Amino acid sequence: GQNIDQPTEMTATEGAIVQINCTYQTSGFNGLFWYQQHAGEAPTFLSYNVLDGLEEKGRFSSFLSRSKGYSYLLLKELQMKDSASYLCAVRAYSGGGADGLTFGKGTHLIIQP
Amino acid sequence: KAGVTQTPRYLIKTRGQQVTLSCSPISGHRSVSWYQQTPGQGLQFLFEYFSETQRNKGNFPGRFSGRQFSNSRSEMNVSTLELGDSALYLCASRKGLAGRKDTQYFGPGTRLTVL
Repeated sequence: GQNIDQPTEMTATEGAIVQINCTYQTSGFNGLFWYQQHAGEAPTFLSYNVLDGLEEKGRFSSFLSRSKGYSYLLLKELQMKDSASYLCAVRAYSGGGADGLTFGKGTHLIIQP
Repeated sequence: KAGVTQTPRYLIKTRGQQVTLSCSPISGHRSVSWYQQTPGQGLQFLFEYFSETQRNKGNFPGRFSGRQFSNSRSEMNVSTLELGDSALYLCASRKGLAGRKDTQYFGPGTRLTVL
């Protein structure tokens, strides 16, 4: 089976930087995704990591360490609109085809002025 | 290009009834996955269909079933509804290629309330 842990809630200040951590245990690792979900809306894709290292995309960066089962999402120059839930999800290859994504329960990020 | 669409957006049913939800994937996407989202459990994987075949299944009872049509549109059915089935049901599509970076894109979801 798979297990994904991330903090339930975090608070940060507008203009600052925040790092959201995600740890996972899985076999057949086949990629880690980060999604953003605003209240009442569908999740939207933010980033994808399958190799160790940092992937940067504008104000958002995501890091992966496969040996540690660890990832983080880094958000810079925080804006009020970044207040949302951030979901870490792992895809594992089962041999019969890629599995569906297993999601963490999400980190609710609150941005304060 | 149009995104993933789901119908209906909201649904109210009573215990014991059954319900069918529909999902139309992004054009060219052959894989459709279904998820249940609740405040307590978060997003949980139900099943994935590719080329009209169920490829993967999560840990849900047999009351939850699905199918996919030749045009890649998918339906999921829940029979004998229980109060605990109240949730947001999300559909996601991807190309279904063997490559790793095959991103899933989510639809707006169907909010099911069971009374």
